Amino acid sequence: DIVMTQSPDSLAVSLGERATINCKSSQSLLYRSNNKNLLAWYQQRPGQPPKLLIYWASTRESGVPDRFSGSGSGTDFTLTISRLQAEDVAVYYCQQYYSPPPLYTFGQGTKLEIK
Amino acid sequence: QVQLQESGPGLVKPSGTLSLTCAVTGGSISNSNWWSWVRQPPGKGLEWIGEISHSGTTNYNPSLKSRVTISIDKSKNQFSLKVISVTAADTAVYYCARDLDAAAAFDYWGQGTLVTVSS
Repeated sequence: DIVMTQSPDSLAVSLGERATINCKSSQSLLYRSNNKNLLAWYQQRPGQPPKLLIYWASTRESGVPDRFSGSGSGTDFTLTISRLQAEDVAVYYCQQYYSPPPLYTFGQGTKLEIK
Repeated sequence: QVQLQESGPGLVKPSGTLSLTCAVTGGSISNSNWWSWVRQPPGKGLEWIGEISHSGTTNYNPSLKSRVTISIDKSKNQFSLKVISVTAADTAVYYCARDLDAAAAFDYWGQGTLVTVSS
């Protein structure tokens, strides 16, 4: 089975500082047919559905502030939130896609708080 | 702007069947997208249940495949989820979501509906 490991489980960062969340897959997420890494990042605030932030490992979804960025390729990926704002307090999830057979898997989540 | 809305019973008895519907507005369910169900037990992480295409092709999470059926009703612009033989472990917030074409990610989500399995 493909395994996804997200770290850390929780993170406290000061306002205006940088937050970094990591995701590691047990198999490469590089999809050869389009040369894209099938890795996405979501933000989930309390009582809300997840919100797509990043797809293809580094492509920002429309309307997402540019302080959110994604990087990495193959098996290791990072979500960076620069210049942390109070509204960024949330749980962040990575999500991978692997086929065959088609399977979406989420990381266990990282709870981001203000220090 | 595409919107999704889940509906269905909030309480299901153990060994019963969980049935939910996701109504899609602001766009046609018959376009090229796939449509998914994702669930989240209280206080826990996200689990993908399965997906359906506009033509009715389905893919399921192997961990749930034996108990899950996803169907589509293009005339009503909605898709549905059925989970049989439920237990307390199926208690969760159930979300419907749209698969973003070729990106293997979910760009639109419903607000979610809590389903509790209890007698």
